[in-house]
Amino acid sequence: AQSVSQHNHHVILSEAASLELGCNYSYGGTVNLFWYVQYPGQHLQLLLKYFSGDPLVKGIKGFEAEFIKSKFSFNLRKPSVQWSDTAEYFCAVSTTSGTYKYIFGTGTRLKVLA
Amino acid sequence: EPEVTQTPSHQVTQMGQEVILRCVPISNHLYFYWYRQILGQKVEFLVSFYNNEISEKSEIFDDQFSVERPDGSNFTLKIRSTKLEDSAMYFCASPKGGDRAGVTQYFGPGTRLTVL
Repeated sequence: AQSVSQHNHHVILSEAASLELGCNYSYGGTVNLFWYVQYPGQHLQLLLKYFSGDPLVKGIKGFEAEFIKSKFSFNLRKPSVQWSDTAEYFCAVSTTSGTYKYIFGTGTRLKVLA
Repeated sequence: EPEVTQTPSHQVTQMGQEVILRCVPISNHLYFYWYRQILGQKVEFLVSFYNNEISEKSEIFDDQFSVERPDGSNFTLKIRSTKLEDSAMYFCASPKGGDRAGVTQYFGPGTRLTVL
């Protein structure tokens, strides 16, 4: 069965620090990969996605993620976080056929201190 | 970002009562999804709905749950007899057309269901 692991449940950083959130998935076939962000009181918003091609993808708000197929990983990075990045971050995978349902990780709650 | 809307934002109900959660997905799309998130847990897939039929459902989606598209625009999730453990945030999602067969899902703001 598919599964997604996010190793960091809570992360606290100071502004301008660099961020890397881990995401690993378990699935034998081809997958689509996503990072979503949920700001306090708001809905899930797409940060970035990977379908194929260049494994380094850039998203909104200065975020990027790198797909490493051999490690089944899709880690999210940002060189310099801001207080406004305080939110919960979810990694998700979907298959490339069938219903394209998402399997989510448990989420990482990021707090950025001003 | 395409907008998916959900009503109500918060629903409080007594155990054993029926609830209907409503979603207005991105128009003219055929694929719809419901997910739920119990407080402190991960977002879980419930059901996908394609062309007016359930295309896949999870183990969570038992006989107490049903989905409908009653009028061609709204998309509803019904829980027939709510249990305490149904308390969760319920998200509707809809893909954006033309994007790799509608792979990228856009989520509504969610309905927080509280069962007392």
